[in-house]
Amino acid sequence: GAVVSQHPSRVICKSGTSVKIECRSLDFQATTMFWYRQFPKKSLMLMATSNEGSKATYEQGVEKDKFLINHASLTLSTLTVTSAHPEDSSFYICSARGPSGLSYEQYFGPGTRLTVT
Amino acid sequence: TQLLEQSPQFLSIQEGENLTVYCNSSSVFSSLQWYRQEPGEGPVLLVTVVTGGEVKKLKRLTFQFGDARKDSSLHITAAQPGDTGLYLCAGKETSGSRLTFGEGTQLTVNP
Repeated sequence: GAVVSQHPSRVICKSGTSVKIECRSLDFQATTMFWYRQFPKKSLMLMATSNEGSKATYEQGVEKDKFLINHASLTLSTLTVTSAHPEDSSFYICSARGPSGLSYEQYFGPGTRLTVT
Repeated sequence: TQLLEQSPQFLSIQEGENLTVYCNSSSVFSSLQWYRQEPGEGPVLLVTVVTGGEVKKLKRLTFQFGDARKDSSLHITAAQPGDTGLYLCAGKETSGSRLTFGEGTQLTVNP
């Protein structure tokens, strides 16, 4: 149990276009999901916390109008990178709070590699 | 924001050697997780420690949470090439649900 999927796994887009990344909890309901960004050989940087049915909470320095987060159901959160630029190229990873409801348990998706040309 | 300092940042050893990775903070965490990540994949949870002084073993991996819940260590005995990967510690703050990640330890075990 506690499987999290992401789609797509890889995406290449042109500068100025928007890209949507999906994060799904496959076998459990997740009221809280998290979006991270990771640069090569670096650790994870939390971008925002996504709560089902309410607005996401963004970390300091993360532009909410550029990184749109929607958590419309208990199993799906989406991250849309709007007007993407080459500097947005990165590995984006989502996680979901586990089925036990324990606040410290997070299960991670496999990540999405975004390349903006 | 609570900070976690992880060391060493890079570690390259020979198969069969032992190693220890450390995570330290000046702040108290309510729990601490250790993850292992391979290139192009998401982190995989190895263990969660919650109680100060707690020790957990997972085959050749031993995890310890400091008595004051400010630090943790991961010890690998007789490392194997399959242990190669990025090891991440992550602490949960005492309030809220955010995880604070350490900078990661890139471990390479050479055959």
